[in-house]
Amino acid sequence: GNSVTQMEGPVTLSEEAFLTINCTYTATGYPSLFWYVQYPGEGLQLLLKATKADDKGSNKGFEATYRKETTSFHLEKGSVQVSDSAVYFCALRNSGNTPLVFGKGTRLSVIA
Amino acid sequence: GAVVSQHPSWVICKSGTSVKIECRSLDFQATTMFWYRQFPKQSLMLMATSNEGSKATYEQGVEKDKFLINHASLTLSTLTVTSAHPEDSSFYICSAPSRDSGERGSYNEQFFGPGTRLTVL
Repeated sequence: GNSVTQMEGPVTLSEEAFLTINCTYTATGYPSLFWYVQYPGEGLQLLLKATKADDKGSNKGFEATYRKETTSFHLEKGSVQVSDSAVYFCALRNSGNTPLVFGKGTRLSVIA
Repeated sequence: GAVVSQHPSWVICKSGTSVKIECRSLDFQATTMFWYRQFPKQSLMLMATSNEGSKATYEQGVEKDKFLINHASLTLSTLTVTSAHPEDSSFYICSAPSRDSGERGSYNEQFFGPGTRLTVL
């Protein structure tokens, strides 16, 4: 079946540090890949997505590239801010109206 | 844009009582909605798929008689936790795919409600 594995947290970084959160997946077919973010006390928000191999999703300075050969979708940001502190979830979906399969989430804390 | 709301945002109830949580798609129609459960500091686990006009599809291990789902219209799905117990305390989140194709997403983009925190005493 489909599954998503992402690095365990928590991750603590200083402001302006480089961020990488690893995510790998197992899936049949050609899934779409997503990163969602959950800020404290809020619901999930889509951060970025990629729907096919070699696509790069980007938003708010975050990027992730769909790597079919390594079945990965690592999240990166060149310079994190305190406001980026949140829980980040990697997820996949095979198609259409099917539900998302989530990784366990990685808590990021950015300190000034 | 596509917006999903949930009500209530939090609820505290006594053990043995039932609690109803509503999930609404505010500006689009959703024939399918998904209900997830999130334990503290853990990931979202799919509980069931709510289908308008037909029975919900439950994931393995989820008790159908305990978590009643009714998809009464194209904009409303409800989750009722019956005879709630402290172990049912959790964060319940719904999502719905939208046909919106603007800046906020494309067809079948899933939009999440803000969640409902249930505490059973």
